[in-house]
Amino acid sequence: AQKITQTQPGMFVQEKEAVTLDCTYDTSDQSYGLFWYKQPSSGEMIFLIYQGSYDEQNATEGRYSLNFQKARKSANLVISASQLGDSAMYFCAMREGPGSARQLTFGSGTQLTVLP
Amino acid sequence: AAGVIQSPRHLIKEKRETATLKCYPIPRHDTVYWYQQGPGQDPQFLISFYEKMQSDKGSIPDRFSAQQFSDYHSELNMSSLELGDSALYFCASSLGGEALYEQYFGPGTRLTVT
Repeated sequence: AQKITQTQPGMFVQEKEAVTLDCTYDTSDQSYGLFWYKQPSSGEMIFLIYQGSYDEQNATEGRYSLNFQKARKSANLVISASQLGDSAMYFCAMREGPGSARQLTFGSGTQLTVLP
Repeated sequence: AAGVIQSPRHLIKEKRETATLKCYPIPRHDTVYWYQQGPGQDPQFLISFYEKMQSDKGSIPDRFSAQQFSDYHSELNMSSLELGDSALYFCASSLGGEALYEQYFGPGTRLTVT
């Protein structure tokens, strides 16, 4: 079974509007972390936001927020006030723990296009 | 702030040649991960090191080997290169230990095998 599922291969959003990118995950671990990364066409992988499984509050970082619904095993990324520079591939990833140096498992990504 | 450094950024090799990719983690990070991202694919975990010891192993071919040195930098050695090895290779670093710290990625090395 897929550990990370991103069901939206592509999304379009109008500039200045908000957009939600979906991510569901599957794990039997109690301790895990969920991450979102942005990959522009230039290729680098940019860390956006992190949510720990024990965190009670939803994570926020500037215009990014993570809508964490533990019972539903979802960790959706919300981007508010979209900008043209937000156009990129977005990956949801999970790190299962505990243990040192645990790797990330990525979803298949969502290509976001911001329209002027 | 200092980021993860990878060298070279681009590399072109022929089939059956060898390649060495280098990674310099963020200062004070003791954990290094290597990922391979094929065209149109999500990154796939290859191998990780914590405090200079191999920690986890993913889908790394036997033709590849890696190590982490005393200064925490890491090298990925790839031999008998195949066309299918053409990909973007990322190194990421984090603080190790039991906590689930963020992983920060380097800019990647784009390997083309011809």
